[in-house]
Amino acid sequence: KQEVTQIPAALSVPEGENLVLNCSFTDSAIYNLQWFRQDPGKGLTSLLLIQSSQREQTSGRLNASLDKSSGRSTLYIAASQPGDSATYLCAVKKDSNYQLIWGAGTKLIIKP
Amino acid sequence: ETGVTQTPRHLVMGMTNKKSLKCEQHLGHNAMYWYKQSAKKPLELMFVYSLEERVENNSVPSRFSPECPNSSHLFLHLHTLQPEDSALYLCASSQGDVGRRHGYTFGSGTRLTVV
Repeated sequence: KQEVTQIPAALSVPEGENLVLNCSFTDSAIYNLQWFRQDPGKGLTSLLLIQSSQREQTSGRLNASLDKSSGRSTLYIAASQPGDSATYLCAVKKDSNYQLIWGAGTKLIIKP
Repeated sequence: ETGVTQTPRHLVMGMTNKKSLKCEQHLGHNAMYWYKQSAKKPLELMFVYSLEERVENNSVPSRFSPECPNSSHLFLHLHTLQPEDSALYLCASSQGDVGRRHGYTFGSGTRLTVV
């Protein structure tokens, strides 16, 4: 059974720092992996989608990597800003059905 | 707004009430989803509709009843709910098989409180 874990559950860093959020999954046979952000009381915004054949994806200050063999993905945020404060979730798609397996998220606080 | 609109944003209902949540998307997507998000728990997929037909139902209690009248609209009908059903209910849409090339687009959610 696929399980997705995000550690730490919460992270607080000063503005301007580069940081890494972690996502691990137990079954390396994945279809793709997606990173989302969620602001308090709001829906989810898709950040990056990495197909199983890809190693990384970049969007602005965000870079997501995927290492299937070790069951890990990282989300790198460069030059963090207070507006980056949110909960970041990763989700793994196992196969061609509609099911995503979700992590519980990392709550990120960027201090001005 | 992301292109997926959910109403109402907040809902308080008694355990004997009947209410409905509404989701609307005009992105041209052909799949729509209901998710439940409870505090400190991962998102739980409830229902999936593809081309207006239900394709997945993850053992959701019958007090939750989905309806998809067309590819742009999705409803979740609620009746005789329990306090533990209080959560954020999220609607999402996608084009085709999720994640082939595109991910999900989520609505802002309905915060449901059952009293």
